[in-house]
Amino acid sequence: EVQLVESGGGLVQPGGSLRLSCAASGFTFSSYWMSWVRQAPGKGLEWVANIKEDGSEKYYVDSVKGRFIISRDNAKNSMYLQMISLRAEDTAVYYCARVGDTESNFDYWGQGTLVTVSS
Amino acid sequence: SYVLTQPPSVSVAPRQTARITCGGNNIGSKSVHWYQQKPGQAPVLVVYDDSDRPSGIPERFSGSNSGNTATLTISRVEAGDEADYYCQVWDSSYDHWVFGGGTKLTVL
Repeated sequence: EVQLVESGGGLVQPGGSLRLSCAASGFTFSSYWMSWVRQAPGKGLEWVANIKEDGSEKYYVDSVKGRFIISRDNAKNSMYLQMISLRAEDTAVYYCARVGDTESNFDYWGQGTLVTVSS
Repeated sequence: SYVLTQPPSVSVAPRQTARITCGGNNIGSKSVHWYQQKPGQAPVLVVYDDSDRPSGIPERFSGSNSGNTATLTISRVEAGDEADYYCQVWDSSYDHWVFGGGTKLTVL
């Protein structure tokens, strides 16, 4: 059974930093692209970043470029999102998602971790 | 970047058919995916590549895509289908993954 478990969310002040983690199990982690998708309170889904199977390619939504870094450790079956210079508009539930075989959709999702940016 | 447009809400009576649209420029040339999200839960993929269903998704869920509109069709709607539904595509021009704004399905 595919499982994705996020951790690392919490309350942080504007301008602060946070590192999210996603622990994967139930599939060959190193064979899949992985992604972070977020959802602000009461709002829709927003793709944040993707990383290729071996970490050699990374893509980001424009609003987080230069502030967020996606990474992975295939030996630990884990993915990360390092977030710096956080803003109030980054407040959201952050979901870890597996990118499907066609590399265009998200076929499994974690339960999410809440990041709140507030003073 | 590529924009997907969904109606904010759709209402349907039980056992009727619900149709949720997703508009985009020449969206028929892209693969469209649909997600169901119930309150407090993570999204679930219900249709991928326009019209395929993941295992475990009822046959009542189907999809189509042509021209500038993709459609998610839910037949014989049940109370348990009440949820937010999002369409999504991969924008190859920018290597961005794009979601529509979401549609709240209400079962009357």
